[in-house]
Amino acid sequence: ETGVTQTPRHLVMGMTNKKSLKCEQHLGHNAMYWYKQSAKKPLELMFVYNFKEQTENNSVPSRFSPECPNSSHLFLHLHTLQPEDSALYLCASSQDLLDRGRLTEAFFGQGTRLTVV
Amino acid sequence: AQKVTQAQTEISVVEKEDVTLDCVYETRDTTYYLFWYKQPPSGELVFLIRRNSFDEQNEISGRYSWNFQKSTSSFNFTITASQVVDSAVYFCALLLEQGGKLIFGQGTELSVKP
Repeated sequence: ETGVTQTPRHLVMGMTNKKSLKCEQHLGHNAMYWYKQSAKKPLELMFVYNFKEQTENNSVPSRFSPECPNSSHLFLHLHTLQPEDSALYLCASSQDLLDRGRLTEAFFGQGTRLTVV
Repeated sequence: AQKVTQAQTEISVVEKEDVTLDCVYETRDTTYYLFWYKQPPSGELVFLIRRNSFDEQNEISGRYSWNFQKSTSSFNFTITASQVVDSAVYFCALLLEQGGKLIFGQGTELSVKP
């Protein structure tokens, strides 16, 4: 148990559906992240939020829409996804924004296994 | 370019064998951090170690040890006397200069059989 909780754990959705992934942390962290893990590929950073402000959008298609209402919660809203978007979506948090100058590390949730049909 | 390469996609060993997971990184930065994470079947990434580029001392933690060599840009991870519970995917990662970006390798899936 890392202190980062993601729901749902599994999600199957059609290409025309709209769904949301939720991430919650009660570690008092200020930075939160969305990563995508596809089969046989490295984890890809999608979005970074620091103190509720988005600081990084790693060229993610607009069919993925993040929302960070407060430092403890992070959402990923999904609409009109494609089958190739099927992956494990991992949320992470860290005390401060990961930086070479700060001794901090990212804590990850268990992920949401998304299947787009 | 910043890049992490884990050339071993899958490794299978028998319990009690020693196993080394390779990690090679590329960066032009002189200051950087390297990480190892473990991803068990449950999905979450579990932090194992962080190493500053200025600290080339090898580290040992129980059955785990890490060999950091800047000369070869490698940060290898060895599990001694492996156990079935060590079965997982292991990721090596590099922290970029810009805040928030961990660049991960492709991961090595370790299977330890009884």
